[in-house]
Amino acid sequence: DAMVIQNPRYQVTQFGKPVTLSCSQTLNHNVMYWYQQKSSQAPKLLFHYYDKDFNNEADTPDNFQSRRPNTSFCFLDIRSPGLGDAAMYLCATSRSSGRYEQYFGPGTRLTVT
Amino acid sequence: GENVEQHPSTLSVQEGDSAVIKCTYSDSASNYFPWYKQELGKRPQLIIDIRSNVGEKKDQRIAVTLNKTAKHFSLHITETQPEDSAVYFCAASRGGGADGLTFGKGTHLIIQP
Repeated sequence: DAMVIQNPRYQVTQFGKPVTLSCSQTLNHNVMYWYQQKSSQAPKLLFHYYDKDFNNEADTPDNFQSRRPNTSFCFLDIRSPGLGDAAMYLCATSRSSGRYEQYFGPGTRLTVT
Repeated sequence: GENVEQHPSTLSVQEGDSAVIKCTYSDSASNYFPWYKQELGKRPQLIIDIRSNVGEKKDQRIAVTLNKTAKHFSLHITETQPEDSAVYFCAASRGGGADGLTFGKGTHLIIQP
């Protein structure tokens, strides 16, 4: 089945230790998104890729970076995680034409110790 | 940027009754309005969406209405069932990969048996 896959599902990292979360998709969608969802809050867009074009949200901290080496894969790098970065990180994909539906992956729950 | 307000934050209804959740948005360029259902620890699941060229859309017990002039849209769930209990998020975007989703803060829907 076509889908959005996120690895790992659970990640524990130490304060200040860089961490990378990954997302892959078999939907061949040209747009990929990263959202941060803290406990009992709504998902918040960090950035998105339209094809190879990177679009950063104005209030996304510099601590968060992203890479999209090809259509299928996208990575979220957190350079120096703080306790406030503990959250569920959701990857989503969509087409840029036709149906706009965003398909979400299962998320990676990040714990910072 | 876009701002989405959602009300109420908690809604408790008797099983079999109807539930209505309302959202307003600020960006007149937004033209895509999805509703997501999220159960605890799971990814958001799209339940219905509407584009700005349509005023109403229905799918079995779920309907969404959109008033583009007033910049508000609503979710209607009829004949509520226990499995409808979850957090519901409205969202808005310009669609087509131009931007990601801006979510409302969510409504915790509780179906009382």
